[in-house]
Formats: sequence, C-alpha cells, structure tokens
Amino acid sequence: GAVVSQHPSWVICKSGTSVKIECRSLDFQATTMFWYRQFPKQSLMLMATSNEGSKATYEQGVEKDKFLINHASLTLSTLTVTSAHPEDSSFYICSARATLAGRDEQYFGPGTRLTVT
Amino acid sequence: AQSVTQLGSHVSVSEGALVLLRCNYSSSVPPYLFWYVQYPNQGLQLLLKYTSAATLVKGINGFEAEFKKSETSFHLTKPSAHMSDAAEYFCAVSEDTGRRALTFGSGTRLQVQP
Repeated sequence: GAVVSQHPSWVICKSGTSVKIECRSLDFQATTMFWYRQFPKQSLMLMATSNEGSKATYEQGVEKDKFLINHASLTLSTLTVTSAHPEDSSFYICSARATLAGRDEQYFGPGTRLTVT
Repeated sequence: AQSVTQLGSHVSVSEGALVLLRCNYSSSVPPYLFWYVQYPNQGLQLLLKYTSAATLVKGINGFEAEFKKSETSFHLTKPSAHMSDAAEYFCAVSEDTGRRALTFGSGTRLQVQP
C-alpha cells in the first residue's frame, strides 16, 4: 500500500524560531500534497495545496510568508513555520495524492505535533 | 462549496451495542464521501469511502456506511461495538478521490463503555 511519512513526529521550539516539517511519499510519486492543521479537539483544516515544481496554493487566511511550503520533488514536500509563536502550536498533517492501479486516492501521514514555547 | 455536518460531538455506547455516527453533507457536485478514524496523537486511517458505485459501503473493522442522496447523508454504523473502537471519527467530502483536498466534519468522539 501507499505510505506517507512525516518527520519529525513531534517538535518543541522556542518562540521566534523556525521549524521545518517533512512529508514524504515512501513508495509512490505524489504530484500533489496537501497540508492540514488540527487544533486540539478540533477538525482538520486545509492550509495549502502543494504541487511538485510550482508554488503552493494557500487557503484564505493562511499566511504564505509564515507557512512556507516547498514541493521540490515527487516524493517530498516541506512545511516551514517561520518565526513560530505559541498560537502556531498544533498538529500538522499532510496527505499525498497517489495514482495506483488506476485509482486516484489520497494517503495521510501520521502527523507532526508542534509545540511552541 | 462543500461542507459536512457531524451530529453529536460525543457518542457513548456499551460494548456490544450498535454504533451509529451521523454525517450529512452539502455539495454542488456529485460527492465523494469518506470516513476516517483517528486514535490519540495519531494520523488518520481510512475506514471506508463512497465513490458513486454501491450505495452501501463496507469498510475495515466491521464498519459500513450507506449513501442516501435524498437525505444527503452518509451515516457510519457498526453492529457491535468493541472497546478498541473508542476514537475520534471524521466524515469528509471531496469532489474526487485524489485531486482535491478533503473537507472534514467537526468529528465525533466515540466512547465504548464496558
């Protein structure tokens, strides 16, 4: 099956620093990856859509200069939270689009928990 | 635009009892519908999905859901709850299965009492 990994699984950083989260498709190529964030006890909200080789498309209200997304290859997308603040603490989940056996599906990573102190 | 409404943020059932988690959707195009389960501090696991084939969809762990267009519903059921079913469940809708992002409902936390 299609596997998506995220690294790190959890990270604690100080306010004002930047942190990078990686999303990798391990056994397939993903032309499209999606980044979601989930606040405690809440649902997932789409942040941005990442297409390989092009700029990410951000949802309304998401600051593109704060949440930098780079989809440099067909197996890797990165989300960098710049100048992090405590309100950025959240669970970040990526998903990757896979076309396998003629089926077009999305597969979710295990998530990255970010805590900003 | 698409949206999902999950009725009941918390559902509690006894072990062995029927599980019913409700989901209603709104979509201007034929929807693709999904149910995911999330265990604490983990990512999402796909339980089942509707992709315009059979209206009754069977998933993993004994779950199933029925697509009812007239009621714009996609409720999740399981005949007999198990303690291991305790988790957060999310209903989601999309315009397709891969190309578009999913729009998630607010989630329902299922508790299973011994």
